[in-house]
Amino acid sequence: KAGVTQTPRYLIKTRGQQVTLSCSPISGHRSVSWYQQTPGQGLQFLFEYFSETQRNKGNFPGRFSGRQFSNSRSEMNVSTLELGDSALYLCASSLAAGTTYEQYFGPGTRLTVT
Amino acid sequence: KNQVEQSPQSLIILEGKNCTLQCNYTVSPFSNLRWYKQDTGRGPVSLTIMTFSENTKSNGRYTATLDADTKQSSLHITASQLSDSASYICVVTLPPRYKLSFGAGTTVTVRA
Repeated sequence: KAGVTQTPRYLIKTRGQQVTLSCSPISGHRSVSWYQQTPGQGLQFLFEYFSETQRNKGNFPGRFSGRQFSNSRSEMNVSTLELGDSALYLCASSLAAGTTYEQYFGPGTRLTVT
Repeated sequence: KNQVEQSPQSLIILEGKNCTLQCNYTVSPFSNLRWYKQDTGRGPVSLTIMTFSENTKSNGRYTATLDADTKQSSLHITASQLSDSASYICVVTLPPRYKLSFGAGTTVTVRA
């Protein structure tokens, strides 16, 4: 069974631009969670989607948004990029919502904002 | 103040030796406590998941323990291998909305 895939793997953007990251979960998984990882802050939870609905949200500004499609694929959008948004963005999928289920992470998208 | 503190920040061990990583948390109760292993440039991989009532959970050479009284968890690596070189992250899940609280991680370097 294929694992979680994220595209693109690397991205360079300029301040003020917006970016969209994509995540394809493991087949049969209906929950997708997004995380930001930086050297200074470590891993931080962004949001979780299940059945096209946002189920849980972390403490990030409204510039960070996401959505999930009927095939469980998810996208994350960051508008008006700031230098501090440079990070590794990780997506994780699980069978259902709630973290009692095993989460499987993708390789991440490395975003650099210049 | 972070609700999950990990120590040490980093450690270096010789191949074949054992080591123990610590995770102290301030929140209680919680839904579950997880340990993840993250290789450089890759996403985290789950090692163990423990509920509030569990004391120990093993996954091969990795054994996690949980002491709810002292609010401490530890991850013990037995007979370390070069492939154990990675960052190990402790995560506590808080009810009712499954808020996730992450530790900063411990970087383990195994040398031949």
